[in-house]
Amino acid sequence: EPEVTQTPSHQVTQMGQEVILRCVPISNHLYFYWYRQILGQKVEFLVSFYNNEISEKSEIFDDQFSVERPDGSNFTLKIRSTKLEDSAMYFCASSGQGPWGDTQYFGPGTRLTVL
Amino acid sequence: GNSVTQMEGPVTLSEEAFLTINCTYTATGYPSLFWYVQYPGEGLQLLLKATKADDKGSNKGFEATYRKETTSFHLEKGSVQVSDSAVYFCALKGKGNKLVFGAGTILRVKS
Repeated sequence: EPEVTQTPSHQVTQMGQEVILRCVPISNHLYFYWYRQILGQKVEFLVSFYNNEISEKSEIFDDQFSVERPDGSNFTLKIRSTKLEDSAMYFCASSGQGPWGDTQYFGPGTRLTVL
Repeated sequence: GNSVTQMEGPVTLSEEAFLTINCTYTATGYPSLFWYVQYPGEGLQLLLKATKADDKGSNKGFEATYRKETTSFHLEKGSVQVSDSAVYFCALKGKGNKLVFGAGTILRVKS
């Protein structure tokens, strides 16, 4: 069964450093997403991406964050200058159809620890 | 805006007990509703979904019915197993792409 993959599984970084989290969505999917889950809290939407541009973003997704689809298979989330509060599990997801009623499939997550 | 409220956990049950995890939502229009499950150390897996009122989603013995009149999507299972121990998330998707999640409910099943 096709699945979303994410690398690395765990990333440790120093405050102020840049990190890039990588995702390979399901191959025929067209919509891509990033969510995060701070330990013990809700899963929160960050951004959705379609047709090489951001289609929706939350207030969390400020200028420190960016997303890119650098080739036909990868989808990345970059945090330019990490803060302690960016420590969280980051989930990538993908879906195959338009915005109504379709299912998002999630990757296993990348645990980001900012020291 | 859209929101999801789940019953607080943890919920602790003995094996073969009946499970209900309550979920209610607030949304404009007619959202799609989902239950996701997160097993220890793993990511989110879709458990079941319903896209319109009175639809029943079901999978692996779990069921949930989309109740528009009570804005609810309660998760049920007739007989839980130890392997069902996980965190369960109710979520909705309205107009647009983003999923809005509830806080999650921890389920612990004892043998």
